[in-house]
Amino acid sequence: DAKTTQPPSMDCAEGRAANLPCNHSTISGNEYVYWYRQIHSQGPQYIIHGLKNNETNEMASLIITEDRKSSTLILPHATLRDTAVYYCIVRGALKTSYDKVIFGPGTSLSVIP
Amino acid sequence: EAGVVQSPRYKIIEKKQPVAFWCNPISGHNTLYWYRQNLGQGPELLIRYENEEAVDDSQLPKDRFSAERLKGVDSTLKIQPAELGDSAVYLCASTPTGKRAYEQYFGPGTRLTVT
Repeated sequence: DAKTTQPPSMDCAEGRAANLPCNHSTISGNEYVYWYRQIHSQGPQYIIHGLKNNETNEMASLIITEDRKSSTLILPHATLRDTAVYYCIVRGALKTSYDKVIFGPGTSLSVIP
Repeated sequence: EAGVVQSPRYKIIEKKQPVAFWCNPISGHNTLYWYRQNLGQGPELLIRYENEEAVDDSQLPKDRFSAERLKGVDSTLKIQPAELGDSAVYLCASTPTGKRAYEQYFGPGTRLTVT
């Protein structure tokens, strides 16, 4: 079973911020929160990851609650090209933990003109 | 730089036939992964390679699936014989070493349809 829960779908108006929530109440102290997205007919694409501090890069911002049991991915100005399935994943810091990575069904984000 | 290359992009076969998928990871990426993605679900890891060594194949159905990465560069995933339930997208991914080892780069996938 996936270690995260996400809403199955969300809509967002073009140009507005898209806030995608993720619950990971069983996250352990050394596990990171990762976000990927998958545009139709393409492979997943890494977006961002974090441990406990908020993170920002050119694609998105990641807000992690103080108890680390949930997080929110923020796309500040959503465009039609951001329409995709967004996956929230928890995994350890070591690359060897990739064998324990479980992708859930994700959130299907639709950006509406 | 070129991304992860996979071929073919689409394959339609009849059940009980063999099929093979090829992946060429990003140059210099030592770690290579094969995933299977069923419709409406997230990717599921099948096997992970560190160079030419399969370090985790616990989720690979070994009765009909096999994989190889002989020279630690490109890789082939084979199914023989294929079953109807094998219809899915097969994704290859690779990761670099060093500081950016957390980034996993995926190829476009091969969509397999077994009839």
